[in-house]
Amino acid sequence: QVQLKESGPGLVQPSETLSLTCTVSGFSLTSYSVSWVRQPSGKGPEWMGRMWYDGDTAYNSALKSRLSISRDTSKNQVFLKMNSLQTDDTGTYYCTRDYGPTYFDYWGQGVMVTVSS
Amino acid sequence: DIVLTQSPVLAVSLGQRATISCRASQSVSISSINLMHWYQQKPGQQPKLLIYRASNLASGIPARFSGSGSGTDFTLTIDPVQADDIAAYYCQQSRESPDTFGAGTKLELK
Repeated sequence: QVQLKESGPGLVQPSETLSLTCTVSGFSLTSYSVSWVRQPSGKGPEWMGRMWYDGDTAYNSALKSRLSISRDTSKNQVFLKMNSLQTDDTGTYYCTRDYGPTYFDYWGQGVMVTVSS
Repeated sequence: DIVLTQSPVLAVSLGQRATISCRASQSVSISSINLMHWYQQKPGQQPKLLIYRASNLASGIPARFSGSGSGTDFTLTIDPVQADDIAAYYCQQSRESPDTFGAGTKLELK
């Protein structure tokens, strides 16, 4: 069945770089796009960016200068790197499978990231 | 960016109907395709897709959930509300990049 799992550090120092990995199973990264979505505690989700099935990328303009998304199809993994982290980047980070891509039909369990010294 | 506005809280009694609204700052429809989707999120869990393209029930979702609307105004209806439905509900639009979400409506028991 379709599964996505995020992994990465739970604590990041301010001004440092966040690196997260999304490992997928049950579908091919060359057939479906994968997005990164984050959610501060108690707030609505925010779409960050997308790795398209053809290898292209799309980013939220609010984050574009700090964000990079890449993939390794041989390992079924999608990567997120975001630099210059600040305290308001604290939240839960999810990877999702995109259908369409118009909506997010499967979500990983999420990884909680805290930006603090 | 398209802003989606939701009421923060809706209080409802078990067995009654819950109507959750989402208003977009501009139309999210293209011809007859309504690019509005709904998710349910319980505490400590990831969001789960309920309704896609305004009115289509996602796989495995009970028929007491339904969606309607077009243009800028959309509604998620739960009828009848069960105890397991107490959660936060988010709308999401994919008409224009970036995809955006509403701030959510928390469904509470009256």
